[in-house]
Amino acid sequence: NAGVTQTPKFQVLKTGQSMTLQCAQDMNHNSMYWYRQDPGMGLRLIYYSASEGTTDKGEVPNGYNVSRLNKREFSLRLESAAPSQTSVYFCASSDLGGDAFFGQGTRLTVV
Amino acid sequence: AQRVTQPEKLLSVFKGAPVELKCNYSYSGSPELFWYVQYSRQRLQLLLRHISRESIKGFTADLNKGETSFHLKKPFAQEEDSAMYYCALRNYGQNFVFGPGTRLSVLP
Repeated sequence: NAGVTQTPKFQVLKTGQSMTLQCAQDMNHNSMYWYRQDPGMGLRLIYYSASEGTTDKGEVPNGYNVSRLNKREFSLRLESAAPSQTSVYFCASSDLGGDAFFGQGTRLTVV
Repeated sequence: AQRVTQPEKLLSVFKGAPVELKCNYSYSGSPELFWYVQYSRQRLQLLLRHISRESIKGFTADLNKGETSFHLKKPFAQEEDSAMYYCALRNYGQNFVFGPGTRLSVLP
């Protein structure tokens, strides 16, 4: 009953460093999403993947890349972290017509 | 353009008082509307969706297409209702668009 699992839960990066946030779901969902959550801004879509092998930009894709490794896994990469990317990142998955299930979030601080 | 607005950043009510969290949307077509809740230090979880017309934890929400609203209501607030509430719509691309959220604080 894991649902959507994100790693790591917390991360501190220096400006310019790179890192990859991992996300895996065990519900056999086709669609997966990456959101960032900022105070007063709600959740903003970074990238999404409607199915294995496809990815598309969301509202705020700049500075990020994604990989849909297989049906289960959808990773988010920051190539050169900036302080503006300090945020809480949520991965989610859903199936066609279904609800979105969220991971527990990754709290990222870029100093 | 698709957009979800929640005019109140923070809503404070006393225990036992009625609660209404406002949500308005703009979308060309017939959207699916949802309310998600995030309790302290927990992940977002679905509270209810308009198509099922159900009541969860005493909360209800009615889709008003004329006013493009999907307000969340509960007649008697409980302290355990304190949380962050997000209104969301799903568009034809199957993406979820979220509002900025309203923090509900239920005072004893």
